[in-house]
Amino acid sequence: GDSVTQMEGPVTLSEEAFLTINCTYTATGYPSLFWYVQYPGEGLQLLLKATKADDKGSNKGFEATYRKETTSFHLEKGSVQVSDSAVYFCALKKISGSRLTFGEGTQLTVNP
Amino acid sequence: DTGVSQNPRHKITKRGQNVTFRCDPISEHNRLYWYRQTLGQGPEFLTYFQNEAQLEKSRLLSDRFSAERPKGSFSTLEIQRTEQGDSAMYLCASSSLQGAAEAFFGQGTRLTVV
Repeated sequence: GDSVTQMEGPVTLSEEAFLTINCTYTATGYPSLFWYVQYPGEGLQLLLKATKADDKGSNKGFEATYRKETTSFHLEKGSVQVSDSAVYFCALKKISGSRLTFGEGTQLTVNP
Repeated sequence: DTGVSQNPRHKITKRGQNVTFRCDPISEHNRLYWYRQTLGQGPEFLTYFQNEAQLEKSRLLSDRFSAERPKGSFSTLEIQRTEQGDSAMYLCASSSLQGAAEAFFGQGTRLTVV
């Protein structure tokens, strides 16, 4: 079945450091890929998405590129802030279906 | 519209009791989803509705679980004869019909079975 694997966490960085959170997926066909973020005490929010190979999703300084050849959708940010501290979830959705399949999440803590 | 609303936010119940959760989606959204999230894990799909029709159910949704969306607006998720393993965060989300449309999530209902 479909699955999403994220890098093992948690991740702790200093402010202004470079961030990479790895995400790989297994799915038949060509799914859409998403990154969701969950800030403390809040619901999941869509951070960015990409719907086809080589698409780049971007938002709030975060970027991720849909790499079909490596079945990956790694999340990057050039300079993290304390306010980026949250749990980040990679997810996929098949074109033919409607459910989201999530990875296990990566806790990011950014220290001042 | 204030987004997806879930009630209650927290529920503590004794093992064996029945519980019901409510979700009010974004008003113009046709699709409504239920997910379950346990500590340290990503959300797991339970079921989804398109308007009032329940179109897909996960095998995680045992016969003790039932969900309804009677008029295509709000939805309820009922768990009968709760077990300690049912303790989790239950998330509701809604979206439009577009294939890759963003799913908007509520803040969830945290269930603790004691």
